[in-house]
Amino acid sequence: DVKVTQSSRYLVKRTGEKVFLECVQDMDHENMFWYRQDPGLGLRLIYFSYDVKMKEKGDIPEGYSVSREKKERFSLILESASTNQTSMYLCALSARGRRETQYFGPGTRLLVL
Amino acid sequence: AQTVTQSQPEMSVQEAETVTLSCTYDTSESDYYLFWYKQPPSRQMILVIRQEAYKQQNATENRFSVNFQKAAKSFSLKISDSQLGDAAMYFCAYRRKGGSEKLVFGKGTKLTVNP
Repeated sequence: DVKVTQSSRYLVKRTGEKVFLECVQDMDHENMFWYRQDPGLGLRLIYFSYDVKMKEKGDIPEGYSVSREKKERFSLILESASTNQTSMYLCALSARGRRETQYFGPGTRLLVL
Repeated sequence: AQTVTQSQPEMSVQEAETVTLSCTYDTSESDYYLFWYKQPPSRQMILVIRQEAYKQQNATENRFSVNFQKAAKSFSLKISDSQLGDAAMYFCAYRRKGGSEKLVFGKGTKLTVNP
């Protein structure tokens, strides 16, 4: 089974804080994604990564950065959190051998005060 | 740019009955994938069903089936014999074949199942 783990289910941060959201996989899958989910807007792609140290911007990269130093870990970074970044963040990967389908982690619900 | 439209923000169905969720999409590609994902309340997003555009046969997975109309760019999900556990947000998604693996999602349909 494909397993995607996100470090926190719930997170509360203050405006201006630097925030790290971690996503970890337990297999050797290359492609990983970060989405943001908001009511009435569906899921929107923030960034994705095809391999270690490789990243590409998605549809809404502003205010975010990512890091992928090891294949198993893909981090989403909010350099200076703002209240409009309060949202649900979902990590996903496309599995080796089943690249057409994405598998999702449980999500991190972030509240920025 | 590709877009995915789910025109029903909310739907409800009686337990054991059948419900159909609508999805339309816009693309100039000829080969692509379409997906339905399910997100139960406070739980993980999971894949329900997948359709490859070049396959004319509609995909089925147990009680879930799709009606794929390529010319009309329509991809509806039918849930038969609805169960309480089917209550969830359902998202339709599109992905072109090859190139970027980016998924384009609709805004979702919230399905309520009434006992």
